[in-house]
Amino acid sequence: QVQLVQSGAEVKKPGASVKVSCKASGYTFTGYYMHWVRQAPGQGLEWMGWINPNSGGTNYAQKFQGRVTMTRDTSISTAYMELSRLRSDDTAVYYCARDLTAMVTSFYFDYWGQGTLVTVSS
Amino acid sequence: SSELTQDPAVSVALGQTVRITCQGDSLRSYYASWYQQKPGQAPVLVIYGKNNRPSGIPDRFSGSSSGNTASLTITGAQAEDEADYYCNSRDSSGNHLGVFGGGTKLTVL
Repeated sequence: QVQLVQSGAEVKKPGASVKVSCKASGYTFTGYYMHWVRQAPGQGLEWMGWINPNSGGTNYAQKFQGRVTMTRDTSISTAYMELSRLRSDDTAVYYCARDLTAMVTSFYFDYWGQGTLVTVSS
Repeated sequence: SSELTQDPAVSVALGQTVRITCQGDSLRSYYASWYQQKPGQAPVLVIYGKNNRPSGIPDRFSGSSSGNTASLTITGAQAEDEADYYCNSRDSSGNHLGVFGGGTKLTVL
């Protein structure tokens, strides 16, 4: 069965960086785009970007351009999301989510990780 | 515009039908997907494309679209359907970007 298992909670100081991992299993990792979505406390979902695990190509929401980097390691079927220059309003749960359609971006997210809480506090 | 607009809150009597809507320019070109999120849990895909349900999603959930509006309908709402619902689509810019609606809190009375 498809599973996305994310790394554990993080506490960071303002200005620092955080790297969240998402380990995939149960399917061909390189066959499906991976998206990252975040949710601030008590707020809605916010799409951050996607990575094509096959090519390594990425596309980021304009809001995060210059601060976010999405990468992958195909040898261990793991996607990563790194956010730099953290601010207090980056405090959120960060999710990875698999695109439903093989080899293209449909923006339908059929499997989600359990979420990783990132807290930014001095 | 890359925004999707949802009503913040909707309520429905147990067993009745409720429609949750999502408006945005991108919906003229792309179908929405809908996600159910309960407190402390990750979102769950309930509807995608024209009107497709993933395996395990009850058939009381259905989707439709007209013009710039996508709708999620729950026919015969159950107590366990009380949750936040989010629509999502790709941005209409053509740059392969995504966007979520602000979410609708559904209360089952």
